[in-house]
Amino acid sequence: DADVTQTPRNRITKTGKRIMLECSQTKGHDRMYWYRQDPGLGLQLIYYSFDVKDINKGEISDGYSVSRQAQAKFSLSLESAIPNQTALYFCATASGTSSTDTQYFGPGTRLTVL
Amino acid sequence: AQKVTQAQTEISVVEKEDVTLDCVYETRDTTYYLFWYKQPPSGELVFLIRRNSFDEQNEISGRYSWNFQKSTSSFNFTITASQVVDSAVYFCALSDLGGSARQLTFGSGTQLTVLP
Repeated sequence: DADVTQTPRNRITKTGKRIMLECSQTKGHDRMYWYRQDPGLGLQLIYYSFDVKDINKGEISDGYSVSRQAQAKFSLSLESAIPNQTALYFCATASGTSSTDTQYFGPGTRLTVL
Repeated sequence: AQKVTQAQTEISVVEKEDVTLDCVYETRDTTYYLFWYKQPPSGELVFLIRRNSFDEQNEISGRYSWNFQKSTSSFNFTITASQVVDSAVYFCALSDLGGSARQLTFGSGTQLTVLP
């Protein structure tokens, strides 16, 4: 089984709809991240969390919110989706006790907002 | 501020050719980590390598090798005897220890196409 899973893998929604993307991990990592990838661009950080009680905004948090329900779960919500939020979304995890900083990514969720 | 530049947007080679993907970075920190990730057509991001800023030794793993040069702020990736399965987007990324975010800054990626 994959260490980092994301659901759904693909989603098509309409402008104005609320949508939630979910991420679960079995790696036992404390740190979790949400990124978005737009065509031809690298990844941009949306939100990150160092533990259940710690949530931080990334460089492009406007229009998004997150919830860290447990160490293993980190959800990303779009309260009112808009077409320019069409992108590939990645969840990542990293160990909070290691200095290696390696982030391990989930398979991605492809979101289309019509 | 961190910055990672991958000037090569797309590269196309014929199978068995060697190919080098360039990565240039900027950081004000003396301690940092550099990474390469592979994104095959299926879309997932696969971790390839992490390099500490204090370790300038080149690394070789099978057909892959990495050349880290602090003097030129570069961390280039070479694939020897390329194969069609190497076709993917490759991302270089940087994480420094300034602040507590331990964030990754990604380059814009290089699309590598290996033709049969």
